[in-house]
Amino acid sequence: QKEVEQNSGPLSVPEGAIASLNCTYSDRGSQSFFWYRQYSGKSPELIMFIYSNGDKEDGRFTAQLNKASQYVSLLIRDSQPSDSATYLCAVNKGSGYSTLTFGKGTMLLVSP
Amino acid sequence: DVKVTQSSRYLVKRTGEKVFLECVQDMDHENMFWYRQDPGLGLRLIYFSYDVKMKEKGDIPEGYSVSREKKERFSLILESASTNQTSMYLCASQSGRGALEETQYFGPGTRLLVL
Repeated sequence: QKEVEQNSGPLSVPEGAIASLNCTYSDRGSQSFFWYRQYSGKSPELIMFIYSNGDKEDGRFTAQLNKASQYVSLLIRDSQPSDSATYLCAVNKGSGYSTLTFGKGTMLLVSP
Repeated sequence: DVKVTQSSRYLVKRTGEKVFLECVQDMDHENMFWYRQDPGLGLRLIYFSYDVKMKEKGDIPEGYSVSREKKERFSLILESASTNQTSMYLCASQSGRGALEETQYFGPGTRLLVL
């Protein structure tokens, strides 16, 4: 079983819609979760992190975590063409671990 | 702002050459990482370092070595480049304090082509 799974996409949404990106993880002991955005040919950049169950909002972005279901998601409200990118989910096993396990990413396409 | 720089954006090398990729961070971070990223395979960890002169193998260390002589600098070495090492190489830096929200900051990447 893959440790961090994401649908590769592409996920296509019209401008102004809500984009919903999903990620599941296999290690029940995982403690913190990160969403990165990666534009084509560029390096990943952090959007937000979450480590408590529930929702965390930052501007147009909302991260949702459900540890019981081993599921984390990223919602992008009022999607813009500039949001078109690959979104990587990353998981940290806990505060004693340095490494992150990355999913392969979901490509998001926002059409004008 | 954390700044992670990599020595080259694009590099073309011949099979069998020794290749050095350098990464420098300016935030006094303890942890540094080398990944490669290939289409369909995602980010794969090659090596990481949690202190000067310390290193740990990642998921795909074969064919690579690393060096960390100074805290701010982490080098990836391809001892004898092969065509299957053609890839995007990404360096990352992390503070190493062990907090739950501790993230990794990536450099711009080096796209290596081995002919």
